[in-house]
Amino acid sequence: EVQLVESGGGLVKPGGSLRLSCAASGFTFSNAWMSWVRQAPGKGLEWVGRIKSKTDGGTTDYAAPVKGRFTISRDDSKNTLYLQMNSLKTEDTAVYYCTTDFVDSSGWSYHDAFDIWGQGTMVTVSS
Amino acid sequence: QSALTQPASVSGSPGQSITISCTGTSSDVGGYNYVSWYQQHPGKAPKLMIYDVSNRPSGVSNRFSGSKSGNTASLTISGLQAEDEADYYCSSYTSSSTSYVFGTGTKVTVL
Repeated sequence: EVQLVESGGGLVKPGGSLRLSCAASGFTFSNAWMSWVRQAPGKGLEWVGRIKSKTDGGTTDYAAPVKGRFTISRDDSKNTLYLQMNSLKTEDTAVYYCTTDFVDSSGWSYHDAFDIWGQGTMVTVSS
Repeated sequence: QSALTQPASVSGSPGQSITISCTGTSSDVGGYNYVSWYQQHPGKAPKLMIYDVSNRPSGVSNRFSGSKSGNTASLTISGLQAEDEADYYCSSYTSSSTSYVFGTGTKVTVL
């Protein structure tokens, strides 16, 4: 079964740090471009950032509100995606989802559509 | 990067068709055929319904269809059913920051 399971959320004070993990199973993680998407309570979805597969360069892109504070990394040997969050602000409070590209039945990857999602992990930034 | 603009709510009776719009700019919706649509039920993770403007992943009902004209993309749900009641979000690649932008979200109510 294809699955993503996030962990590491919790309560942190403004200015603090937190590292989220996303464990993948049921697909070839090393080939996947992985993204983080967040959703503040009662609000819409917001793309946070992405890491490409190592074969495609392994580079990262970030949304403007988190650039310079958040870092996405991956450990393909552990099938795990990470989100290191530093200098946290109250506006970072949200459910954080990891997600991966859509792959069609022929094996073609569509990097601009997010198919498999985890259940999300809640991050609360508050004093 | 501002969110794409969607109507806050759309409603319809069972069996009817409804359309949700998603308006962006030439840097996102209008410039690329990389629009996708997601359905989200309360407390659940989003589900991909449409990719590349008008393509359905296998397993998604053919009652869902997508299209685009200029800077506006649309999701049409035909033969509305009770289980279609959910929040819907569009998303597009944007060249303005080499990233992705989601829509503001639309709550669909089945009357």
